[in-house]
Amino acid sequence: GQSLEQPSEVTAVEGAIVQINCTYQTSGFYGLSWYQQHDGGAPTFLSYNALDGLEETGRFSSFLSRSDSYGYLLLQELQMKDSASYFCAVTSRSNYQLIWGAGTKLIIKP
Amino acid sequence: ETGVTQSPTHLIKTRGQQVTLRCSSQSGHNTVSWYQQALGQGPQFIFQYYREEENGRGNFPPRFSGLQFPNYSSELNVNALELDDSALYLCASSSIAGGPDNEQFFGPGTRLTVL
Repeated sequence: GQSLEQPSEVTAVEGAIVQINCTYQTSGFYGLSWYQQHDGGAPTFLSYNALDGLEETGRFSSFLSRSDSYGYLLLQELQMKDSASYFCAVTSRSNYQLIWGAGTKLIIKP
Repeated sequence: ETGVTQSPTHLIKTRGQQVTLRCSSQSGHNTVSWYQQALGQGPQFIFQYYREEENGRGNFPPRFSGLQFPNYSSELNVNALELDDSALYLCASSSIAGGPDNEQFFGPGTRLTVL
């Protein structure tokens, strides 16, 4: 079977740094993606890791360790607009299907 | 470049009815995936279409069916609606030819309520 685990909720302060962890169990792993979804909105792509290491895109970075079946999303210089749900998703080796975690609700306080 | 569009935005049906949801893919994308997202949950993969052929299916019963047309627009059909089918239905387009980085572009979704 395939499963992903991530915390249901994380709280942080504006301007701070927060890390959202994701562990996965899957057959035929290809890569790990992160998506952001605001309440009532559609998911939007943030990052993708196929190889071990850190990928940086502006204030957001994503990390993958294939040997540990683990990744994280790092958000720096938090802004109120970053309040959203963040999903990790595994790309299955067969047909590049996305299998999603349940999401982490990020709450940012002033 | 137009984004992914879905129609209708909201829909109310009664148990046992049938529904058709529509999606127009982003220009240049030949792959569309459909997801069901219950409140407070992550999207659940229903199926994917690539060049008008089903290219993979999640754990959904046969009463969930789909079509992809030559212009890469697509439909999701659900027969014999059940109360548990109430959810946000998302379609996402991508280009498999672009490789497995698999960035998917999502439409705004259709909120289906089954009474």
